[in-house]
Amino acid sequence: ETGVTQTPRHLVMGMTNKKSLKCEQHLGHNAMYWYKQSAKKPLELMFVYNFKEQTENNSVPSRFSPECPNSSHLFLHLHTLQPEDSALYLCASSPGREPADTQYFGPGTRLTVL
Amino acid sequence: AQKVTQAQTEISVVEKEDVTLDCVYETRDTTYYLFWYKQPPSGELVFLIRRNSFDEQNEISGRYSWNFQKSTSSFNFTITASQVVDSAVYFCALSEAWGTNAGKSTFGDGTTLTVKP
Repeated sequence: ETGVTQTPRHLVMGMTNKKSLKCEQHLGHNAMYWYKQSAKKPLELMFVYNFKEQTENNSVPSRFSPECPNSSHLFLHLHTLQPEDSALYLCASSPGREPADTQYFGPGTRLTVL
Repeated sequence: AQKVTQAQTEISVVEKEDVTLDCVYETRDTTYYLFWYKQPPSGELVFLIRRNSFDEQNEISGRYSWNFQKSTSSFNFTITASQVVDSAVYFCALSEAWGTNAGKSTFGDGTTLTVKP
């Protein structure tokens, strides 16, 4: 596989469920990102990991919990979500060598919270 | 603070027409990078171009061309002889190289382009 992959592609969950989104990059990159894309809103940066260290938490509610066990994998753990959290969640990676590297995106997970 | 404005929410053209997507940005940084991405219905953002603030040369790649005008803080994207496969949402983004916003990409709201046969 090449590029950035995300699983699952679609997820429907209730407000009391716990689920996890997975992202994997096969590009040898060192930085990984989570973005949220809601209808009628611009892409919102949620978290940034650089060399497995979290370098950015953009005031994201604690019901979203990221995990980066290594430079190739990034998870987003979800619990007690709200309907307004329904969105497309995009993962991206970049080489991590420069502050403004090009980011390469995965196909996203379409999340619906009932 | 950095900001990216894509004033055109939706554009519709007929195949083979040329179309220009506008992007205007704001930043206090002197070193920054500008990007364009394409998001087809499948959802994945596809990287198109990265341009640094010191390189004002226009760029052409096949039917795509970009016009970077630092004086007007604009980085416009033109598709020549548009095709149905060009239908997508196009995002312009800005990333500062230094300071507290270094590496954080700010995206515009996107322009939805529909190319009709």
